[in-house]
Amino acid sequence: EIVLTQSPGTLSVSPGERATLSCRASQSVSSTYVSWNQQKPGQAPRLLIYGASNRATGIPDRFSGSGSGTDFTLTISRLEPEDFAVYYCQQYVTSPPAWTFGQGTKVEIK
Amino acid sequence: EVQLVESGGGLVKPGGSLRLSCAASGFTFSGYSMNWVRQAPGKGLEWVSSISSTSSDLYYTDSVKGRFSIFRDNAKNSLFLQMNSLRAEDTAVYYCARHYGDNFAFNIWGRGTRVTVSS
Repeated sequence: EIVLTQSPGTLSVSPGERATLSCRASQSVSSTYVSWNQQKPGQAPRLLIYGASNRATGIPDRFSGSGSGTDFTLTISRLEPEDFAVYYCQQYVTSPPAWTFGQGTKVEIK
Repeated sequence: EVQLVESGGGLVKPGGSLRLSCAASGFTFSGYSMNWVRQAPGKGLEWVSSISSTSSDLYYTDSVKGRFSIFRDNAKNSLFLQMNSLRAEDTAVYYCARHYGDNFAFNIWGRGTRVTVSS
């Protein structure tokens, strides 16, 4: 079983600053299978990034994803007030088919 | 508008059963694989089950195998999750989620339905 570990657990950032979130897999993962989701309190998750680096439809370009192998990163270049939320990385495993999520990183206002 | 609306949650005793429904609208439901994802109170996201567009492929997380069944009715644009032998640890908000085309991500999510398993 491939485990996704996100760090830090909580990230305190001021609006306008840059945020860098990490997702590390316990084994190498195809970047095709890695995505990032945002969830605000009381709301459903929202897809931000798929295939490790592709922004989903309607996602602002201040969100970017990168990485390969076991290390993946979500970067928010300049935090807007609406970006304070919990972020989950997600991976697809082929055999047997399954999806797993990291435990989440909470981005809070500093 | 592309939309998923879950229903069927509620309070059930341990060992009981519940059927969740997800009504899809605004897209060609029969063309997409669909999923159930849950979130226990104060916890992270957990994928539960997936079904292909034609129902030919069904997948479950280990903790629900043999207890939960996913199925769909493409004629009625609906997804279902039959949950039997419910346990306290199944308590969660259950979301239905649509695949993002051929990408291995979920881009459309419902607002969720809450399931509480308690005596």
